[in-house]
Formats: sequence, C-alpha cells, structure tokens
Amino acid sequence: AQSVTQPDIHITVSEGASLELRCNYSYGATPYLFWYVQSPGQGLQLLLKYFSGDTLVQGIKGFEAEFKRSQSSFNLRKPSVHWSDAAEYFCAVGARGGSYIPTFGRGTSLIVHP
Amino acid sequence: DSGVTQTPKHLITATGQRVTLRCSPRSGDLSVYWYQQSLDQGLQFLIQYYNGEERAKGNILERFSAQQFPDLHSELNLSSLELGDSALYFCASSVDRGNGNTIYFGEGSWLTVV
Repeated sequence: AQSVTQPDIHITVSEGASLELRCNYSYGATPYLFWYVQSPGQGLQLLLKYFSGDTLVQGIKGFEAEFKRSQSSFNLRKPSVHWSDAAEYFCAVGARGGSYIPTFGRGTSLIVHP
Repeated sequence: DSGVTQTPKHLITATGQRVTLRCSPRSGDLSVYWYQQSLDQGLQFLIQYYNGEERAKGNILERFSAQQFPDLHSELNLSSLELGDSALYFCASSVDRGNGNTIYFGEGSWLTVV
C-alpha cells in the first residue's frame, strides 16, 4: 500500500518569501501525486497533480511541484508567498490501477507573516 | 466551488444518536468517496461508491454505513455515536473509478458529538 509523509507540521514564512513544502511518498511504482489546499472552514481544493510526462507540474495560484523519482518526493513550491496562501496543505498519493484511493499526508500548516 | 455539495454543514448531536450526512457529487461524476478528518487521525478514507455499488472500503467502523442512490447522491449513516466520532466528514467525487482522475472535495460536514 502507498503512504505519504509530510515532514513539516508547520511552516512559517514572510510574505513575499519563497516557499517549499516537502512531500515524500512510498510506493512500488510511479504513483499519481496531488497537492490540495484547505483554507480554514473550507474543503480541499486541488492545487496540482502529476499523472505522467513532465515532472515539473504547474498548478493554480502560482504553485508548482516537481516529481523526483530518485528521491520519492513531490515538493510544492511557490516563488513569492501571499498572505492569502496561509492554509493547510496536503500531499496525496494514489496507486495506479486497482481501486485507486488517494492516501493523504497529515498536512503542513503554512503561516504567513506580514 | 468544486461542485460537490454536502449537507448539513454543521450538526451537533448526543452520544448514542444516529445521523445521516448527504452528498451530491459533481454533475457527471459516478464515483463518490467519504473521508473523515480529525486532529488525531488526519484525513482517513472511509468508503467509495461507483455508480451505486460499493467499490472500496477503508477505515470505516461497523457503526457507519453508506450508500449511493440511483441519482448518484450518497449518504453516510453514523450510528451509536461516540465522542470520538466528532470530526469533519468530507464527500468527494470523480468521473469514474478514479484511475488517474482527479477527486473533487465538498466543503465537509462538521459533526460534533456531545
């Protein structure tokens, strides 16, 4: 079964600074990979996803993520953080074939200082 | 707005009671997923339905059950409620069984058991 680890429970950055949220997965082959964002009191919104092809994936709100097979990672990045980016970020991994149920990490809470 | 609609948004009930959470998937989506989000367990997959049939089961308690109706809406029934069942319950949907497809989440139903 697949699993995903988000090593950082909280990340604090200043507005305008760059951001990288870490995600490591465990799966025997190339998985499907996702990043979701959850604002307070809201549901999960898909930021981006990797299915195949280019390992650098562009998403909404200026986010991107890079799939690195050798490191089993799918880190989320943003060059300049805005105060509105403060939220909970979830990485998810899905197996190819079978029932395909994404497994979610525990999330990373992003705090943005003015 | 993901297009996935969940009701009610909030409910408070007493231990031992039974509640029903309702979900309408996005138009055209055949798969419905239920997840439970709590502070201690994170985002846990409960169950998936595809076109009215159960497709996958996760960490769903025997006191919980779900179904998907011919019009594709789904209900999650929680019975003999315990304090520990207090959580945010998400419904999500996708076009097909989920292989490589994106799962879209509703805004969740907050359940508080007192």
